[in-house]
Amino acid sequence: DGGITQSPKYLFRKEGQNVTLSCEQNLNHDAMYWYRQDPGQGLRLIYYSQIVNDFQKGDIAEGYSVSREKKESFPLTVTSAQKNPTAFYLCASSIFRGRADTGELFFGEGSRLTVL
Amino acid sequence: DQQVKQNSPSLSVQEGRISILNCDYTNSMFDYFLWYKKYPAEGPTFLISISSIKDKNEDGRFTVFLNKSAKHLSLHIVPSQPGDSAVYFCAARDTGANSKLTFGKGITLSVRP
Repeated sequence: DGGITQSPKYLFRKEGQNVTLSCEQNLNHDAMYWYRQDPGQGLRLIYYSQIVNDFQKGDIAEGYSVSREKKESFPLTVTSAQKNPTAFYLCASSIFRGRADTGELFFGEGSRLTVL
Repeated sequence: DQQVKQNSPSLSVQEGRISILNCDYTNSMFDYFLWYKKYPAEGPTFLISISSIKDKNEDGRFTVFLNKSAKHLSLHIVPSQPGDSAVYFCAARDTGANSKLTFGKGITLSVRP
């Protein structure tokens, strides 16, 4: 089955700890994204990557870091510098066609991070 | 500054009736608009989209209308079914901004049996 796999689904972290959320896709998509969802806030873009070994900050990148060493993988690290990390994190991918791109994203099931 | 606005946080409709979900935007550079549906604790799934060169796109029970002069789009669901109960996100793409999607805050639709 082709799709996007996020793990873990639920994660608890103590304050001051870094945590890494995994995102793997087997859709052969070029672009990958990380979004954060908070109640009443919609989806906010954290980081995105359109090709391997390159990534860009989104609207709320502070306190987060990413890597894109392989096309299939785009892990997100929530660092201790992120002041309010408790949220639902969504990874997505898309076929990036530049100007012809329709923007359609395929999302994973999400990872819920709770800081204790 | 919110560029995509879904001003009504929730909507409740009777099964079989029409659901109309509204979305407004401010960025005139947006050239593609999408609607996503999301169930609790799941990722959003793509529902329907429309290019800025069109004013209507239909897919089964779902129709999206775009009014460029008013910077307004709406999603119509006819007839509404209880399984349509979910959060609906409006999203817009700005080709000039690396095709990133900007999402609204979402509308929670409840369809009463």
